[in-house]
Amino acid sequence: QKEVEQDPGPLSVPEGAIVSLNCTYSNSAFQYFMWYRQYSRKGPELLMYTYSSGNKEDGRFTAQVDKSSKYISLFIRDSQPSDSATYLCAMSPANFGNEKLTFGTGTRLTIIP
Amino acid sequence: NAGVTQTPKFQVLKTGQSMTLQCAQDMNHNSMYWYRQDPGMGLRLIYYSASEGTTDKGEVPNGYNVSRLNKREFSLRLESAAPSQTSVYFCASSWTSGRVETQYFGPGTRLLVL
Repeated sequence: QKEVEQDPGPLSVPEGAIVSLNCTYSNSAFQYFMWYRQYSRKGPELLMYTYSSGNKEDGRFTAQVDKSSKYISLFIRDSQPSDSATYLCAMSPANFGNEKLTFGTGTRLTIIP
Repeated sequence: NAGVTQTPKFQVLKTGQSMTLQCAQDMNHNSMYWYRQDPGMGLRLIYYSASEGTTDKGEVPNGYNVSRLNKREFSLRLESAAPSQTSVYFCASSWTSGRVETQYFGPGTRLLVL
């Protein structure tokens, strides 16, 4: 079993819809949770990060962590065609330079105009 | 400020050939990484360097070697390429602010081994 599981999709939704992307994990030591966005033929870029449980909002994006269920989510409101990309979750036990990130496999998202 | 740059962008090799993938960053970051990305496997860490002069193995180091030439440059070498090394390779560098480490990725090198 992989430490981090992510539905690969593909996921297609109409413009303006709310998108929910999810990851589950098995390592209870994970404390930092991140979402990266990767456009086609580009490198991943950090979208959001959260520490421990709770919600974090940034514009149209909301990251949610439920450590009791070992489940994290990324919500995109009012989705736009420019949101079409692959979204990767990533997590680590700590962030002091010695703990490395474990990535999910990514979910490919397409927003249909 | 170019961020993380990688060369070449695309390469075709025959089995047994060698090559070096180059990576450079101009953000004065201490840590640098090499990942490979394969369909259904996500990003897997090959090697990383926490600081100039140090390197450590990641999840999938077999068949690769690295050199941290200086603070800016971190190269990945395939001594004898195999078809299983066909992949997209990403270099990244990172900085830590408080408890948060942010990794910045290069555009990737697409490698095809025949």
